[in-house]
Amino acid sequence: RKEVEQDPGPFNVPEGATVAFNCTYSNSASQSFFWYRQDCRKEPKLLMSVYSSGNEDGRFTAQLNRASQYISLLIRDSKLSDSATYLCVVKGGATNKLIFGTGTLLAVQP
Amino acid sequence: GAGVSQTPSNKVTEKGKYVELRCDPISGHTALYWYRQSLGQGPEFLIYFQGTGAADDSGLPNDRFFAVRPEGSVSTLKIQRTERGDSAVYLCASSFGTSANTGELFFGEGSRLTVL
Repeated sequence: RKEVEQDPGPFNVPEGATVAFNCTYSNSASQSFFWYRQDCRKEPKLLMSVYSSGNEDGRFTAQLNRASQYISLLIRDSKLSDSATYLCVVKGGATNKLIFGTGTLLAVQP
Repeated sequence: GAGVSQTPSNKVTEKGKYVELRCDPISGHTALYWYRQSLGQGPEFLIYFQGTGAADDSGLPNDRFFAVRPEGSVSTLKIQRTERGDSAVYLCASSFGTSANTGELFFGEGSRLTVL
């Protein structure tokens, strides 16, 4: 079983739609959680951290459920520019390495 | 430039050859990470350095892979006796400290390795 699992998609949604991505992780000792964004043929970039209480950054909302070892990302009012791969990232329990999921591809259609 | 710099950007080699990939991190960043990414996959952790020492090398797939960071800045990933399965984009990232709190890694554009 992979340490971090995501539905690879693709998610094809119209502009203005709300879309949610989910991620599960296997190491219950994991301490920190993040969402990264990766554009086609580009390097990954941090989108936002995920806090236990849930957190919001504009149209993006991230949530964490430690009991279920589950992380989510909600994007409201999707824009064409949101089209990218969204990577769920977990900081390993024993070290500081960041483990990436396979990513979920989002395509926002006009 | 101020970002993470990786060279070469593209490398084509033949099976069995030796390859070196270089990473120049952001100045002042103490932590340096190597990942590799295959098409349709997320970045796969290889190794990370805190200063000059390898703090975690558990992701190196086998003893053909080795990485160094002798002066705590530039790092070189070395691959011996390359195999076709080594073909991937090798990503380097750096962060200030251990990224334990912010989780923000700054990635280079990667070195695309193709083994024929």
